[in-house]
Amino acid sequence: QKEVEQDPGPLSVPEGAIVSLNCTYSNSAFQYFMWYRQYSRKGPELLMYTYSSGNKEDGRFTAQVDKSSKYISLFIRDSQPSDSATYLCAMRRYSSASKIIFGSGTRLSIRP
Amino acid sequence: SQTIHQWPATLVQPVGSPLSLECTVEGTSNPNLYWYRQAAGRGLQLLFYSVGIGQISSEVPQNLSASRPQDRQFILSSKKLLLSDSGFYLCAWLPGQPNTEAFFGQGTRLTVV
Repeated sequence: QKEVEQDPGPLSVPEGAIVSLNCTYSNSAFQYFMWYRQYSRKGPELLMYTYSSGNKEDGRFTAQVDKSSKYISLFIRDSQPSDSATYLCAMRRYSSASKIIFGSGTRLSIRP
Repeated sequence: SQTIHQWPATLVQPVGSPLSLECTVEGTSNPNLYWYRQAAGRGLQLLFYSVGIGQISSEVPQNLSASRPQDRQFILSSKKLLLSDSGFYLCAWLPGQPNTEAFFGQGTRLTVV
């Protein structure tokens, strides 16, 4: 079993829709959770970072963590065509030397 | 502010040729450094990570090696490239504290022909 599972998609939704992206994980030692956005042929850029269960909001983006279920989500409100990209979840343990483990990424397309 | 530089952006190399990709970080000290590879349409596979000069951890057996000759320099190498080494290589760094996120370079697209 992979440490982090993420549905690869592709996911296609109309402009303005609410998008829900999800990851599950198996290692309860993961304490820090990140969402990255990656445009084609570019390096990933950090979108959201959180370390506690619950919701964290930043503009149109909301990151949700449920440590009891080992489940994290990213919600995008009022989706725009410019949100079309691959979204990667990532997580790490509470250690200065810990590895960052990524999900396989979900390819998202927002239709105008 | 901290920045990460990775070069070259693209590279086409013949099978059997050597490889050297370089990554440097500015504006910080003692960063954790990582090399990832991303195959087309796939996630990020961790290849190597380093918590300090000369300290390299390898995640998967492969045709590649890594070195960290200086605090803010991380090099990915191969003596003889294989076709299967083609991919998008990404360098990442994060500060040496546990509660921080990772930042990525812009990547090197390697095509072995």
